[in-house]
Amino acid sequence: GENVEQHPSTLSVQEGDSAVIKCTYSDSASNYFPWYKQELGKGPQLIIDIRSNVGEKKDQRIAVTLNKTAKHFSLHITETQPEDSAVYFCAASKGDTGRRALTFGSGTRLQVQP
Amino acid sequence: KAGVTQTPRYLIKTRGQQVTLSCSPISGHRSVSWYQQTPGQGLQFLFEYFSETQRNKGNFPGRFSGRQFSNSRSEMNVSTLELGDSALYLCASSGQVSTDTQYFGPGTRLTVL
Repeated sequence: GENVEQHPSTLSVQEGDSAVIKCTYSDSASNYFPWYKQELGKGPQLIIDIRSNVGEKKDQRIAVTLNKTAKHFSLHITETQPEDSAVYFCAASKGDTGRRALTFGSGTRLQVQP
Repeated sequence: KAGVTQTPRYLIKTRGQQVTLSCSPISGHRSVSWYQQTPGQGLQFLFEYFSETQRNKGNFPGRFSGRQFSNSRSEMNVSTLELGDSALYLCASSGQVSTDTQYFGPGTRLTVL
């Protein structure tokens, strides 16, 4: 089955700096790669996603890049703010009905120091 | 538009009991998936339902089961609870347009004593 590895497990940055979280996946049939942010006591919140026919996607301060050949995708957060502090999860799936199961990475705890 | 709702939010049970958790997806969404989150194993897929049919199942014992109703609401049941079943159980719904995008509810925190 699919295996997703995520690094680093913890990341501490100063407010205003950039943060980068990296994930690798094992199943070449995976074609959908979302990123979730989870705050204490809450469910995961989708922050950005990318499909395998796209190499990069950006939404304001957040961007995701995908390298299908290397089976590698990354989350980039620029101009970090204290409210970005949370646990971030990457995930992969094959996308369509019956194959929508998300395989998650182990999570990155991001701490933004004011 | 209301998000995914899960009830109850917190639950305490004892070993050997059974429990039923409920999930109401986003209005118009027909697909519901369930996940278990624990500190040791992380987020793991339990099962996926679409149009009242289980379409996919994760690697969990038969004590874990679920169903989906005609209004797309879903329930999951865990029988003969074990201490290791203590976890946050998350429900996610997917719509028709972006069928792969999953939106999560707040979860049900289950504690087994």
